[in-house]
Amino acid sequence: NAGVTQTPKFQVLKTGQSMTLQCAQDMNHEYMSWYRQDPGMGLRLIHYSVGAGITDQGEVPNGYNVSRSTTEDFPLRLLSAAPSQTSVYFCASSYSASSYNEQFFGPGTRLTVL
Amino acid sequence: GQQLNQSPQSMFIQEGEDVSMNCTSSSIFNTWLWYKQDPGEGPVLLIALYKAGELTSNGRLTAQFGITRKDSFLNISASIPSDVGIYFCAGQGSARQLTFGSGTQLTVLP
Repeated sequence: NAGVTQTPKFQVLKTGQSMTLQCAQDMNHEYMSWYRQDPGMGLRLIHYSVGAGITDQGEVPNGYNVSRSTTEDFPLRLLSAAPSQTSVYFCASSYSASSYNEQFFGPGTRLTVL
Repeated sequence: GQQLNQSPQSMFIQEGEDVSMNCTSSSIFNTWLWYKQDPGEGPVLLIALYKAGELTSNGRLTAQFGITRKDSFLNISASIPSDVGIYFCAGQGSARQLTFGSGTQLTVLP
């Protein structure tokens, strides 16, 4: 199993550009989520999904869209990038939303918005 | 939203020393989790705690779920160089979403 994979590893955007961060898992996990990590701060939840076709907002959803058309994939879209979105983005998955199921994190995407 | 205060922010210790870090919350949590993040990687789960008062060990790591359900601590005994990294606490309440602390950066000096 590859676990949770994220692409790209690094990305530089100009303000106003759009892009999609890819996340895939091959563990047949129902629950997937996106976090951002900023210096000196913990991970903050952006969006999450409890299954294909179901998504919901987390703590910091503004400026981001998600969709979950398959169990395996959970892409994160930045519609119009802003410098405030410069961050490291982590995708995670677990068997369910219950804390009894360990969340597995991907290696992260380091995004810089100029 | 829920707030987690994690301390200390950073620690410099000698190899072989014991380490202690803790998290406190303004809200009650049903689950406390401790993660470690190596440079350039995502967090990896170290210990999960599910009951107030619970004390759980994982090798040289020991963590406790506070009686009030508003705090947790992590101890690392006899530190080694590979313990270097950022340690995060995380709590899960009734909303089922994880709230993360700001992390403790651990440096182990030879």
